[in-house]
Amino acid sequence: EDQVTQSPEALRLQEGESSSLNCSYTVSGLRGLFWYRQDPGKGPEFLFTLYSAGEEKEKERLKATLTKKESFLHITAPKPEDSATYLCAVQAPGYQKVTFGTGTKLQVIP
Amino acid sequence: DAMVIQNPRYQVTQFGKPVTLSCSQTLNHNVMYWYQQKSSQAPKLLFHYYDKDFNNEADTPDNFQSRRPNTSFCFLDIRSPGLGDAAMYLCATSGQGGDNEQFFGPGTRLTVL
Repeated sequence: EDQVTQSPEALRLQEGESSSLNCSYTVSGLRGLFWYRQDPGKGPEFLFTLYSAGEEKEKERLKATLTKKESFLHITAPKPEDSATYLCAVQAPGYQKVTFGTGTKLQVIP
Repeated sequence: DAMVIQNPRYQVTQFGKPVTLSCSQTLNHNVMYWYQQKSSQAPKLLFHYYDKDFNNEADTPDNFQSRRPNTSFCFLDIRSPGLGDAAMYLCATSGQGGDNEQFFGPGTRLTVL
């Protein structure tokens, strides 16, 4: 069974203090690893898909990286508007099902 | 703008009173999903459709059912809601191409009294 474990559960940063969120996964092959952002009371919003080990993607202050066992979401010089829960998810080849982790709740303090 | 719409945004029902949540999409995606998400938990997949093919997760209670009458619409029926069914219900779609990502609706917050 596919599993996704995210750490830490919660992270509090000062504005400008860079850090990384971790997503460890086990899946029977990997069709894609996804990162989403979820604001309170809203549906998740897509950030990135990573397909193979060594791949990296960037968007503004966020950079996602992938190895064979884990993915990192690096946040550089975060701002208060980056405060949200960040969800990681994996999808196995040939399946439409996506398995989510419980997320990391990020709070960025001005 | 192409999007995923869920109605209602907030639903209050009584213990045991059937409720139906709806989802519509203008993305013309062939896959639609229903998730249940409780506070501080991962979204839990209840069902998904690949076109008209229905896929039920093994641990989805029989109390939950779904219908997809056409490509654009999907419904979640909760036959006899219990207190434990209070949650956010998320609809999502995905299609061919792109980054295989899912597009989520804003969710329906269900309260059971």
